[in-house]
Amino acid sequence: DAGVTQSPTHLIKTRGQQVTLRCSPKSGHDTVSWYQQALGQGPQFIFQYYEEEERQRGNFPDRFSGHQFPNYSSELNVNALLLGDSALYLCASSFTASLTYGYTFGSGTRLTVV
Amino acid sequence: DAKTTQPPSMDCAEGRAANLPCNHSTISGNEYVYWYRQIHSQGPQYIIHGLKNNETNEMASLIITEDRKSSTLILPHATLRDTAVYYCIVRVEHGSGNTGKLIFGQGTTLQVKP
Repeated sequence: DAGVTQSPTHLIKTRGQQVTLRCSPKSGHDTVSWYQQALGQGPQFIFQYYEEEERQRGNFPDRFSGHQFPNYSSELNVNALLLGDSALYLCASSFTASLTYGYTFGSGTRLTVV
Repeated sequence: DAKTTQPPSMDCAEGRAANLPCNHSTISGNEYVYWYRQIHSQGPQYIIHGLKNNETNEMASLIITEDRKSSTLILPHATLRDTAVYYCIVRVEHGSGNTGKLIFGQGTTLQVKP
């Protein structure tokens, strides 16, 4: 049973460019959350998607946007990249209907902005 | 903001029990406590979670105080492979559905020594 799959694993972009990161949730999961983890810090919540809608959002600017597809996969888009956007981007999936649900994380995408 | 506080680092001898404390004095009645660990900037790995009762699985035990203001993660026989950053997390609920989000703190770096 495949867990959460993220692509690409590594990415280098130039300031001002745009980037799209992709996430396939664990089989049976219907909710996807995105996190940003700067070096030496804990992951920070970006936003969460359920039923193809953004359900809640952390303290991130509008340059960060996302999408969820009918097959529950998700994309994270970042526009006008800044050096400070360099981080490990993590995707986590869960099954919303479970009252004691857990979250499964992918291995992340390492984004470097130069 | 994170709802948990943890010591920044701890050491444990190989083969001994590792007891990792966590304070969550502002936790609400319906908020679960989760523990994850992260090795070498891989994706966080689920360990255990609970609401108010003590929990045990094949990896660890979770002891939650009666007032729910603190908890302890116990790794019964620590090995060198248990060296990692351990995050104690409160799942913050959103709305009436099960669409909570994990708010990470800085975590505890556990070093298991031979």
